[in-house]
Amino acid sequence: QVQLVQSGAEVKKPGASVKISCKASGHTFTTYYIHWVRQAPGQGLEWMGTINPRGGSENRAQRFQGRVTMTRDTSTDTFYMELRSLRSEDTAVYYCALETTATKKFDYWGQGTLVTVSS
Amino acid sequence: QSALTQPRSVSGSPGQSVTISCTGTSSDVGGYNYVSWYQQHPGKAPKLMISDVSKRPSGVPDRFSGSKSGNTASLTISGLQADDEADYYCCSSAGTYYVFGTGTKVTVL
Repeated sequence: QVQLVQSGAEVKKPGASVKISCKASGHTFTTYYIHWVRQAPGQGLEWMGTINPRGGSENRAQRFQGRVTMTRDTSTDTFYMELRSLRSEDTAVYYCALETTATKKFDYWGQGTLVTVSS
Repeated sequence: QSALTQPRSVSGSPGQSVTISCTGTSSDVGGYNYVSWYQQHPGKAPKLMISDVSKRPSGVPDRFSGSKSGNTASLTISGLQADDEADYYCCSSAGTYYVFGTGTKVTVL
C-alpha cells in the first residue's frame, strides 16, 4: 500500500533552517504531486505548497514565498521541504501528502514531523 | 488566501446526524467543485473522507456525505458513532492553490 514516511522530530533555534524528508513507497502512480501541510499546536491545517516530481516545478502559498524550497530525489522517490529563517511561530507538525495528479485531493499522508523552534 | 470558515464545534448523540458548514468565496469553494473533507483524530494524520464535493473514497462509510451550494460546502455525518468524534477540515482548490477550513470539533455526546 502507499506509504509516506517522514524524517524525525527536529529542534531548531530562531533564524536557523530545517529540512524535512518524505519518502514515498508502495505506489504505482506515474503522475502525482507531493504537498506540504503544517499544523501549529492546537491549530488548524495550513497548506504550504506543492512540487511536481516530474519536472520539479513548485507552487507555494504566498506567505511562504522566499522562505520555503521543495525538492525531490526521483531516484529514491524522496521529497524534501526546507524552511528558512525559522521563528517561534513555525513550531508545528509538518505533513507531506500525496495527490494523484489533477484530482485535487490529498489521498495519502505522512505521519508528520514535529519541528520545534526555541531559543 | 484566507482560511475557509467552519463552526468551531458541533455535537450530537449516537445515531443522530450532524452537519458541518464550510464557507469560502467565489474564488475557492464557489469557483471549483474541488472541495474535500478530512477527519483528524488527536495525534494522527488527517484522513480523506470526501473529495470533489461529494465523492466518498473506498472504505469511507456512506454515513458521510458532502454537498455544496454557492460558496458554502457541507459535510453531513449520519448515524453518529463514537469513533466519529474528531476534528474535521474542509479544503478547497483555488486554482493552483489550496486553502483549508478553520476546523470543526465533532463531539459525540
